[in-house]
Amino acid sequence: GAVVSQHPSRVICKSGTSVKIECRSLDFQATTMFWYRQFPKQSLMLMATSNEGSKATYEQGVEKDKFLINHASLTLSTLTVTSAHPEDSSFYICSAGDHNEQFFGPGTRLTVL
Amino acid sequence: ILNVEQSPQSLHVQEGDSTNFTCSFPSSNFYALHWYRWETAKSPEALFVMTLNGDEKKKGRISATLNTKEGYSYLYIKGSQPEDSATYLCARMDSSYKLIFGSGTRLLVRP
Repeated sequence: GAVVSQHPSRVICKSGTSVKIECRSLDFQATTMFWYRQFPKQSLMLMATSNEGSKATYEQGVEKDKFLINHASLTLSTLTVTSAHPEDSSFYICSAGDHNEQFFGPGTRLTVL
Repeated sequence: ILNVEQSPQSLHVQEGDSTNFTCSFPSSNFYALHWYRWETAKSPEALFVMTLNGDEKKKGRISATLNTKEGYSYLYIKGSQPEDSATYLCARMDSSYKLIFGSGTRLLVRP
């Protein structure tokens, strides 16, 4: 299957700082990428759909000014958590693909102190 | 949000046992049902994408069935092996192509 990478795999930051997470499709072009979040003992929850060359579509309850998404190329989408707070600590995971199949990255564990 | 439920939450079996888990989902506005296998520290790996009522798919010792009218899917593992230990996720896709995940079934296969 296709490979999706994420960087970093783990990040610890201070409250108030911004953190950028990269999602790359390594061997295919991805017009659409998806960002999910998983809190402990909960399901993966879709945050937003990232479309190359256009604005991301955010799910209800996800603040677009807090979670900035940029999908400037067909192989890279970035999620920036701005002014991170401890409640933003979570596992963030991206996927790339379409309605037939989505390929996931390995995820990023964010801890905000 | 339409809920996808998985049961059991966790399962411990002995090597060689066969096992199965359940995924239930709202049947309205259904497009597809995805099953993923997720090992710790790795990416979720796609197992099956199922769309039609009555679908049955098989990959090695793992198989899955789908009932879209009543809103459930079963995943079966025949002759479980320790390397089958993982979290198995199901996700319902609606006509907008968004995936809504269940919370997973964590399988541990003891040697």
